[in-house]
Amino acid sequence: NAGVMQNPRHLVRRRGQEARLRCSPMKGHSHVYWYRQLPEEGLKFMVYLQKENIIDESGMPKERFSAEFPKEGPSILRIQQVVRGDSAAYFCASSPPEGKRTEAFFGQGTRLTVV
Amino acid sequence: DAKTTQPPSMDCAEGRAANLPCNHSTISGNEYVYWYRQIHSQGPQYIIHGLKNNETNEMASLIITEDRKSSTLILPHATLRDTAVYYCIVRPENNDYKLSFGAGTTVTVRA
Repeated sequence: NAGVMQNPRHLVRRRGQEARLRCSPMKGHSHVYWYRQLPEEGLKFMVYLQKENIIDESGMPKERFSAEFPKEGPSILRIQQVVRGDSAAYFCASSPPEGKRTEAFFGQGTRLTVV
Repeated sequence: DAKTTQPPSMDCAEGRAANLPCNHSTISGNEYVYWYRQIHSQGPQYIIHGLKNNETNEMASLIITEDRKSSTLILPHATLRDTAVYYCIVRPENNDYKLSFGAGTTVTVRA
């Protein structure tokens, strides 16, 4: 059973470009969460998605950031017009459907560098 | 969410037990204590969680005090690969997706 898969592992973008980060949850998991870790800081919650629904995006910056989890395919975190301050590690986690309390499993992250 | 307090760092000798404390004096009755760790440049890894009883799995043991205001994560035989940042997180039952990571404890296991 493959774990949470994130790609790319490393992404370099110039200021003003778009960044697309992908996350494939573990098999059987229908809940996806995105976290951001700025350099030398802890992980901060960004958004919680279920298939085709955004449940909680309270941690997402109001502008330039969006997330989706389509019926088919991976979850996508999209950052438009990237700035240097977006440089960070972005982690995705997944968990099974409701009704079963369990831990969230994290991917290895995508390290975004904006130059 | 209940706040947790952990020492910023600690050293441990390889092969010895590592005892990581966590204070969560404002924890509510339905909140669980979770422990995660993050090895350098990797994603967080779940270790263990508990409500009020002590818990043990293949990775660690979790001791929660009777008043639930503090807990201790025990790594029974620390290895060099256990060097990581360890996070103690209190997780509300009705908000169980939003993990609030603090600064954690940086544990360095030395040979």
